[in-house]
This record gives sequence, structure tokens and C-alpha cells, in this order.
Amino acid sequence: ETGVTQTPRHLVMGMTNKKSLKCEQHLGHNAMYWYKQSAKKPLELMFVYNFKEQTENNSVPSRFSPECPNSSHLFLHLHTLQPEDSALYLCASSQEQGISMGEAFFGQGTRLTVV
Amino acid sequence: GQNIDQPTEMTATEGAIVQINCTYQTSGFNGLFWYQQHAGEAPTFLSYNVLDGLEEKGRFSSFLSRSKGYSYLLLKELQMKDSASYLCAVMDSNYQLIWGAGTKLIIKP
Repeated sequence: ETGVTQTPRHLVMGMTNKKSLKCEQHLGHNAMYWYKQSAKKPLELMFVYNFKEQTENNSVPSRFSPECPNSSHLFLHLHTLQPEDSALYLCASSQEQGISMGEAFFGQGTRLTVV
Repeated sequence: GQNIDQPTEMTATEGAIVQINCTYQTSGFNGLFWYQQHAGEAPTFLSYNVLDGLEEKGRFSSFLSRSKGYSYLLLKELQMKDSASYLCAVMDSNYQLIWGAGTKLIIKP
């Protein structure tokens, strides 16, 4: 138990489906992140929220849409994905953005398969 | 460009010592981080180095040489549960985290 909970753990979706990934943290952190992890590749930072405001979007395609309704919850809305989007999607949180981003708490991830 | 290099895979024997190296080239430096990730699990923070030298934390130690752009993670008295991937990450001058692809460590009895 890392303090960051992601649901679902596994998701299979067709290219025309719409689905959402959910992340929840009750660590009192102010920054939350979405990462993409593909096999044998470095973690790719997708989005950053700091005090509920989106502060970074690392050139992520618009078929990925984040939402942060409050400092404890983060969503990633998915639509019309491609097979190459299949990966492990990790949510993380830290006290705030900046140096504490390096000491983040990660969720166990959602294993996404696009068929 | 910015780059982190670490070996893809290493094998070691239970009870032994293993050193996992990480070299980096980044725009500035605000610290180096090591994470452990068991298969199918969340990455968990292990260590943070910002000054040169060795930081010891139980069976795990992390070393940094900023002038050489080099770090290593040293694991002593290896246990089977240490089988995992070890991720190296560097924070650059813009407080962006640059990640390595990870080193998969296999422990054999």
C-alpha cells in the first residue's frame, strides 16, 4: 500500500471506446502526475497538476484528457486510442512540484491494452 | 539532449553484493533519485543524492559523483525479494525529472 490508489488495475478497450482511469491519494499532497511506462523505455511524464492546476502537458495527444477535480483525485479520460497507447499508466503524487517531485509516491498503475 | 544510461539487466547471487551503475548527461543538476519497482507493482523511492559521496541506508547505498555524471546503487547481502527493476532519475535545472529505462535485477539462489 503506497497511499496512492489507481483503478482499474487492468483495462482492455477497443479503439472506438471511451474509458477513464482514476487515481486517488490521501497523503495530503498538492501535486499529482500521470506517467506512461512502456516496456524497456524510460517513464514518460504526461501531465502535472499542482494545487489542482495543470502545469504541464508534455505534448500528449488530445485523445488523452486529464481532469483534477480536487487535490486528492486525478482522472485520465481516454477516447479513440491507438494500439501503440497500450502501456502501464502510473499515477503519482508528491508534496508539491519541484524538488519533491523526485520523492513521489506512485500507484500500482493501470495496465491498458488497446485492441 | 538529456540522457540517462543504465544497464538493461543484471544477474547476481543471493547473499552477494551488486552494483548498478547510472550515468547521466543533463542540463543542470538538482539531484539524483533511485527507485525500486517489483514486477506489476508501484515504483517506490529508495534514495536521493545531491552532494558527492555515499549515502547508506541499511543494505542499500547510493553514490554520486557530479563531476563524472555518475551514480551507483549498491545492494549488499542480496535477498530474493531484491529481484526488481531499479530506476535512476535525475532532476535537471528546470526541475524536470529525466528517467533511465531501468535495470532489471535477477537474483539467483
